[in-house]
Amino acid sequence: NAGVTQTPKFQVLKTGQSMTLQCAQDMNHEYMSWYRQDPGMGLRLIHYSVGAGITDQGEVPNGYNVSRSTTEDFPLRLLSAAPSQTSVYFCASSSRTGQTSPLHFGNGTRLTVT
Amino acid sequence: GENVEQHPSTLSVQEGDSAVIKCTYSDSASNYFPWYKQELGKRPQLIIDIRSNVGEKKDQRIAVTLNKTAKHFSLHITETQPEDSAVYFCAAGYQKVTFGIGTKLQVIP
Repeated sequence: NAGVTQTPKFQVLKTGQSMTLQCAQDMNHEYMSWYRQDPGMGLRLIHYSVGAGITDQGEVPNGYNVSRSTTEDFPLRLLSAAPSQTSVYFCASSSRTGQTSPLHFGNGTRLTVT
Repeated sequence: GENVEQHPSTLSVQEGDSAVIKCTYSDSASNYFPWYKQELGKRPQLIIDIRSNVGEKKDQRIAVTLNKTAKHFSLHITETQPEDSAVYFCAAGYQKVTFGIGTKLQVIP
């Protein structure tokens, strides 16, 4: 199993550009989520999904969209990039057993917005 | 939603000493409390977890304790080694998994 795969690993955008961060998992996990990690602020939840067709907002959803058309994929879209979105983005998944299972993280995407 | 507080934010210990990191949470519905270790430039990875029906769990040099009444849980690392140096995160939450701010542990040889 590859686990959770994120692409790209690095990305530089100009202010106002849009892009999609890809996330795929091959563990048949129902729960998937996106976090951003900034120095001194830990991991903050952007959006999450408890199954195909179901998404919900996390702590910092503004400026980001998600969709979950399949169990395997959970892309994160930046609509109009801003310098404040410079961060490391992690996708994570978990088997949905009463939300008592650990998160499996991808290797992250380092995004810089200039 | 869930609110998780973690302290200390940094911790330096001599090799061989013990390290303790503490977290508190706010949502009484939370019933699963994992700890993650993140090495520099890497992804967070689970090191130990505890469920609400258990008060303590050990795995070799690592242990976690949970006090549901007080809504706090702690990570204990004994006989620390240089390879324990990393950032440690606690987490809690039912669907919105919330992380603590992280503790940077430095083990001094």
